[in-house]
Amino acid sequence: GESVGLHLPTLSVQEGDNSIINCAYSNSASDYFIWYKQESGKGPQFIIDIRSNMDKRQGQRVTVLLNKTVKHLSLQIAATQPGDSAVYFCGVTGGGNKLTFGTGTQLKVEL
Amino acid sequence: KAGVTQTPRYLIKTRGQQVTLSCSPISGHRSVSWYQQTPGQGLQFLFEYFSETQRNKGNFPGRFSGRQFSNSRSEMNVSTLELGDSALYLCASSLGPGTNTGELFFGEGSRLTVL
Repeated sequence: GESVGLHLPTLSVQEGDNSIINCAYSNSASDYFIWYKQESGKGPQFIIDIRSNMDKRQGQRVTVLLNKTVKHLSLQIAATQPGDSAVYFCGVTGGGNKLTFGTGTQLKVEL
Repeated sequence: KAGVTQTPRYLIKTRGQQVTLSCSPISGHRSVSWYQQTPGQGLQFLFEYFSETQRNKGNFPGRFSGRQFSNSRSEMNVSTLELGDSALYLCASSLGPGTNTGELFFGEGSRLTVL
């Protein structure tokens, strides 16, 4: 089955710096790779996805990179803001709306 | 446009009891999936419903069940509760099959504590 992990449980960055959150996965058959953000007391919120035939996709202040050779996924957040403080989950799709998530990285933005 | 609504938000049960959680998806969304979130296991897929039919199921025991109604609202039930069932249960909705890019809309969850 799928396996998704995250490299660091916690990441601290200064406000205004760029953040990079990394993730590894084991199943190469997934169609989409995804990132979610979860703020304290709330449900996960979709950030961005990337299809398996792409290696880079950009959104508003976020960029996702997919390296299928080493099975690595990363999320880059430009000019990190206090509102970006949350737990970030990477995940893969597995048919229908079944998502397999990693363990999460807590992003702390220091003022 | 209202988001995904889950009720109740918090509940406390004792071992052996059963619990029913409710989820109202975003208007127009016909697919509902459920996830369990715990500190130890993270976010785990329970099951997915579309058009009142279970389309997909995760690796949970038969004590966990669900259903979907004709208005797309969904319920999940956990019978014979165990301490390990204490978790945040999250419901997520999407338009339906064929839109499985991974973008789901989650509710804020139902926090279940089993004593």
